[in-house]
Amino acid sequence: DGGITQSPKYLFRKEGQNVTLSCEQNLNHDAMYWYRQDPGQGLRLIYYSQIVNDFQKGDIAEGYSVSREKKESFPLTVTSAQKNPTAFYLCASSMYSPGVKGSGYTFGSGTRLTVV
Amino acid sequence: AQTVTQSQPEMSVQEAETVTLSCTYDTSESDYYLFWYKQPPSRQMILVIRQEAYKQQNATENRFSVNFQKAAKSFSLKISDSQLGDAAMYFCAYRRGETSGSRLTFGEGTQLTVNP
Repeated sequence: DGGITQSPKYLFRKEGQNVTLSCEQNLNHDAMYWYRQDPGQGLRLIYYSQIVNDFQKGDIAEGYSVSREKKESFPLTVTSAQKNPTAFYLCASSMYSPGVKGSGYTFGSGTRLTVV
Repeated sequence: AQTVTQSQPEMSVQEAETVTLSCTYDTSESDYYLFWYKQPPSRQMILVIRQEAYKQQNATENRFSVNFQKAAKSFSLKISDSQLGDAAMYFCAYRRGETSGSRLTFGEGTQLTVNP
């Protein structure tokens, strides 16, 4: 079955460490996204990528980095520069075509990151 | 920039009753899409319903329907015959229409409780 796989489900980071969250999709979607979810704040966009080897900053990109070397993969690195990384992280994907407008996203099941 | 506002952080409804969740948005675009997503305790994001801005007819999906007031920039979700499984966080979301690769902007969410 096609879908998005995020791993790990739970991740613990020590102060000063970088960690990478994995996101893989087999839906043949062109566009992929990373969102951060905090209580009472909804989902905020970190980074997104519409095609391979290209990505754009979202609203809260500081302290995060991404790569898009393959269509199927869009890993997110939470760097030590991110001062408050404890949150729930959601990856999503969608079609990207001028003839396919307004399609919704397909979401992964999320990664809960905790700083210890 | 587009914004989405959900003014009800929490709502409750009796089983089998009807509840309406509110959403307003701000945009200068004429071509856009609106969505309601459901996030149950599993935290998996599930698309509930979608509305194209150019369509005057309100979207319906079984027990879920919307009241789309384009001039007022209002997009409320009505859940009829509420069931215990409807208990979840509900997010309203906006997306520009020129390409399906554009970003989704989310509201802060409404936590819905269904009482037996």
